[in-house]
Amino acid sequence: EADIYQTPRYLVIGTGKKITLECSQTMGHDKMYWYQQDPGMELHLIHYSYGVNSTEKGDLSSESTVSRIRTEHFPLTLESARPSHTSQYLCASRESQGNYNEQFFGPGTRLTVL
Amino acid sequence: GQQVMQIPQYQHVQEGEDFTTYCNSSTTLSNIQWYKQRPGGHPVFLIQLVKSGEVKKQKRLTFQFGEAKKNSSLHITATQTTDVGTYFCGAGGYQKVTFGTGTKLQVIP
Repeated sequence: EADIYQTPRYLVIGTGKKITLECSQTMGHDKMYWYQQDPGMELHLIHYSYGVNSTEKGDLSSESTVSRIRTEHFPLTLESARPSHTSQYLCASRESQGNYNEQFFGPGTRLTVL
Repeated sequence: GQQVMQIPQYQHVQEGEDFTTYCNSSTTLSNIQWYKQRPGGHPVFLIQLVKSGEVKKQKRLTFQFGEAKKNSSLHITATQTTDVGTYFCGAGGYQKVTFGTGTKLQVIP
């Protein structure tokens, strides 16, 4: 079982609120990722990080921001949530070394913005 | 950037029938990974293929990597209701895994 955690699992908030989705992993992985996924649909990469103090934008433009101050922690923040942000957000991590590139996913946060 | 296409997008099968999903890339891949996502769940790694023409089996699942390393397939023999979910292929790279569009499998009992 992968040691990657996301909180909260479910979140319902009103428009305009600031939110932070938490993601933590205890595997010591340098690489971490955030995906946005509508139910049963494609995985869209919105942010990734190679390590502490490294963050990059993903393939899908997102109004969210991320930070990587500690190896194990990769939070995602929305300054002002909108209904269009309603989706599932999945965090993932993987090792940097070698060719074994398996990604471990967290359980996800289902966000609903009213 | 790299794109990975999967077909079909959806597949409904009767329990006991076989199922295959295909993954195609316009560029040569260093490796291909397969993940399964159960309804309401998160993607879980199944397997990775690295070598040209590689074939791997996990019980009723057979994974193939094309000779040119541009395509891959996942075949399930005699589907069961526990096989329901979305299957994603992923092209593994140094920076990230580029995921295919996914194939949603529905098994009718």
